[in-house]
Amino acid sequence: EAQVTQNPRYLITVTGKKLTVTCSQNMNHEYMSWYRQDPGLGLRQIYYSMNVEVTDKGDVPEGYKVSRKEKRNFPLILESPSPNQTSLYFCASSLTTQTGELFFGEGSRLTVL
Amino acid sequence: AQSVTQLGSHVSVSEGALVLLRCNYSSSVPPYLFWYVQYPNQGLQLLLKYTTGATLVKGINGFEAEFKKSETSFHLTKPSAHMSDAAEYFCAVSLTGGFKTIFGAGTRLFVKA
Repeated sequence: EAQVTQNPRYLITVTGKKLTVTCSQNMNHEYMSWYRQDPGLGLRQIYYSMNVEVTDKGDVPEGYKVSRKEKRNFPLILESPSPNQTSLYFCASSLTTQTGELFFGEGSRLTVL
Repeated sequence: AQSVTQLGSHVSVSEGALVLLRCNYSSSVPPYLFWYVQYPNQGLQLLLKYTTGATLVKGINGFEAEFKKSETSFHLTKPSAHMSDAAEYFCAVSLTGGFKTIFGAGTRLFVKA
């Protein structure tokens, strides 16, 4: 089954404790992206990746890091989480960047205390 | 800069009534346009998309949208609402040659019995 898998789905952590949200897709998509969803703001792009070892900032990259060492994986790293990073995070992938459909994971709800 | 505006954060209709969710975009170049739906505790999934060609686009679950360049709009409609249509709907735009998809803030659809 074609899917994007994120882990963990739910996480409560404390300020400053490094965490990683993993994302993996099995569709051989070149393009992957991370979004955060906040009430009233829709989805905002954090980082995206055009291919292995090619990443770039989205609209809200501060406080986040990513890596793309393999085509299927695109982890999101919060080196020192802060309460304003409490949000619902989505990983998405696509065959192409423009006309292609974005396939989303089920989301990871992160709470930073 | 491109942007997406969804009019109405909440829309309530009766079962069997017309569904109309409004979306306007701003873009300096011809955009690709999308509608996504998000059911509770799930990721987003594509309802329909406009890239080129016919301006009336049909999607899944009986939804359709019409691209009106002169009005810079891409409103989503369904002739008869069903209880299962209750969800949050996101309009999105992607530019030709771009590497990001911009999402609107979302419209939550309530369907009353």
